[in-house]
Amino acid sequence: QLLLQESGPGLVKPSETLSLTCTVSGDSIGRDNNCWGWTRQSPGKGLEWIASIYSTIGTTYYNPSLASRLTISVDTSKNQFSLQLTSVTATDTAVYYCARHRGATGVDIWGQGTMVTVSS
Amino acid sequence: QAVVTQEPSLTVSPGGTVTLTCGSSTGVVTSDHWPYWFQQKPGQAPRTLIYDTNNKYSWTPARFSGSLLGGKAALTLSGALPEDEADYYCLLSYPAAGVFGGGTKLTVL
Repeated sequence: QLLLQESGPGLVKPSETLSLTCTVSGDSIGRDNNCWGWTRQSPGKGLEWIASIYSTIGTTYYNPSLASRLTISVDTSKNQFSLQLTSVTATDTAVYYCARHRGATGVDIWGQGTMVTVSS
Repeated sequence: QAVVTQEPSLTVSPGGTVTLTCGSSTGVVTSDHWPYWFQQKPGQAPRTLIYDTNNKYSWTPARFSGSLLGGKAALTLSGALPEDEADYYCLLSYPAAGVFGGGTKLTVL
């Protein structure tokens, strides 16, 4: 059974960098050049597609409205992938979900999500 | 960036049928948008119900179906149950990024 677990600090100060990691179990992250990604949900709001990455070829896809602040990466040796979002503000406060994607954009299997609050 | 639109809220009677739609600001939604549908209940992570317009997962109840209808992607629920009360989101694929709709709050009443 494929399981994804997000980890990272629950509180980040404004202007700092938000760093999250997703640990995958039940499958090899590099198998079949799978695609992995992140989605977020601000409190009481809808879902926002953030980014994705193909595990072996490393091709990345970013939400254009966030692209200048985003980096997504994969570490096949640890079966993990990560997200970095720089220069955060209160509007980046959200539950962040990692997921396996079907193709570059389709979100397939979700993690449970981790709440990140941006506050001083 | 494209805007994806959904009905903000819908109500269906138990046992009834309801169709949720998903439109694109760029025009007609086609299979090349690879429409997805998700169900989210309060306090839970979303769950993917439909992928690539009309394909189901092993966990997708048979009463849910996906299609293209009138230039939009559609999710039809036939024989609604109280447990189907939830938020439903669609996702469309555009070059190099995905865009979620704003979600539909479905009430079974």
